[in-house]
Amino acid sequence: DQQVKQNSPSLSVQEGRISILNCDYTNSMFDYFLWYKKYPAEGPTFLISISSIKDKNEDGRFTVFLNKSAKHLSLHIVPSQPGDSAVYFCAASQWGDYKLSFGAGTTVTVRA
Amino acid sequence: GAGVSQTPSNKVTEKGKYVELRCDPISGHTALYWYRQSLGQGPEFLIYFQGTGAADDSGLPNDRFFAVRPEGSVSTLKIQRTERGDSAVYLCASSLTGGRSYEQYFGPGTRLTVT
Repeated sequence: DQQVKQNSPSLSVQEGRISILNCDYTNSMFDYFLWYKKYPAEGPTFLISISSIKDKNEDGRFTVFLNKSAKHLSLHIVPSQPGDSAVYFCAASQWGDYKLSFGAGTTVTVRA
Repeated sequence: GAGVSQTPSNKVTEKGKYVELRCDPISGHTALYWYRQSLGQGPEFLIYFQGTGAADDSGLPNDRFFAVRPEGSVSTLKIQRTERGDSAVYLCASSLTGGRSYEQYFGPGTRLTVT
């Protein structure tokens, strides 16, 4: 049973515009959330994280928003750049646990 | 510095055969994880090592899967009597130590195809 869901398998956005990626989770014990980015033939690389005590975390062009009541988080990329074209995975973990539960990923394509 | 490396990058085997997949973590990282990514899915946790011991093997799908890390560095994932459903990309990750404050660094994966 998938506890982390990314319902949009793909997203196409024009360069310079905002990319918004969404993620929903079902396990109310999750309290730490991460986004990973993956290029073809490479492993996922960490992008940004957020703890459940916060509702927003920002790092440069990347901002993650957390809505605990809705069990929903989103990643905003502003402005989108061609190098952002990749697969983005949402992941979550719960207190006392080291393993990550991943969503199925969203493929982002940034058009010039 | 060197990242996480995995060998082989690709492995094709026949149904019923035995395979070994190797992971070299980042030097000094005591925590090591194995994940499996099936087509169209995200990585799925298999096993977590802290040092030489398997601290959590709850993700191993059945007893055909086994992993070792005898010296607390290199790890080998072993799959016996492979089945076509084992076809996936097997990812290894390491972190400085266990704990959520420590980023997991992933290797490029081994693509296993069982024919």
